[in-house]
Amino acid sequence: DTAVSQTPKYLVTQMGNDKSIKCEQNLGHDTMYWYKQDSKKFLKIMFSYNNKELIINETVPNRFSPKSPDKAHLNLHINSLELGDSAVYFCASSQRTLNYGYTFGSGTRLTVV
Amino acid sequence: GENVEQHPSTLSVQEGDSAVIKCTYSDSASNYFPWYKQELGKGPQLIIDIRSNVGEKKDQRIAVTLNKTAKHFSLHITETQPEDSAVYFCAAEGGSYIPTFGRGTSLIVHP
Repeated sequence: DTAVSQTPKYLVTQMGNDKSIKCEQNLGHDTMYWYKQDSKKFLKIMFSYNNKELIINETVPNRFSPKSPDKAHLNLHINSLELGDSAVYFCASSQRTLNYGYTFGSGTRLTVV
Repeated sequence: GENVEQHPSTLSVQEGDSAVIKCTYSDSASNYFPWYKQELGKGPQLIIDIRSNVGEKKDQRIAVTLNKTAKHFSLHITETQPEDSAVYFCAAEGGSYIPTFGRGTSLIVHP
């Protein structure tokens, strides 16, 4: 039933490790996104995928790489994790040109120690 | 690019009072203004939105107003309840279909 589901919900890892976060949506939306929410609750867009093509890539370090096997999935892979990567990461989806807002997942709290 | 300012950052009210959160935007091309509610430990959830061809929209206890000339829009919650306690985000969206979010308002409703 979950519209946008992401796993895992919590991720604790050491500096230098590589990790992935998975996201799936069953809404039939054509665009998926990754957002980073810092400790002050600011939502910053990282990536957007429309029909499996990257259409936006804000100034995110190239250690972060989105991978979309199909339009229902958008995974986030992070190499060489740093302390500053600790945050909550949200996946979201929308039907891009219809302006009906986003549906967000429940978030992945990443803690780098 | 678009810049969205949101105030206040924290709002504390007594149950039953009204709450108002205000946002301003900079890009006159923005035409869609959603509001999201984020409860503790959850993702933001769309609660109401307004488009540039409408001045006001209401859904039960929540309403949103838009003043295109002044480039500001507001969220109004009447008869607040403890379950309204959350962080609320405004956003403005234009031709890029990527919203610019405000920095959020933490609403605390005291029983």
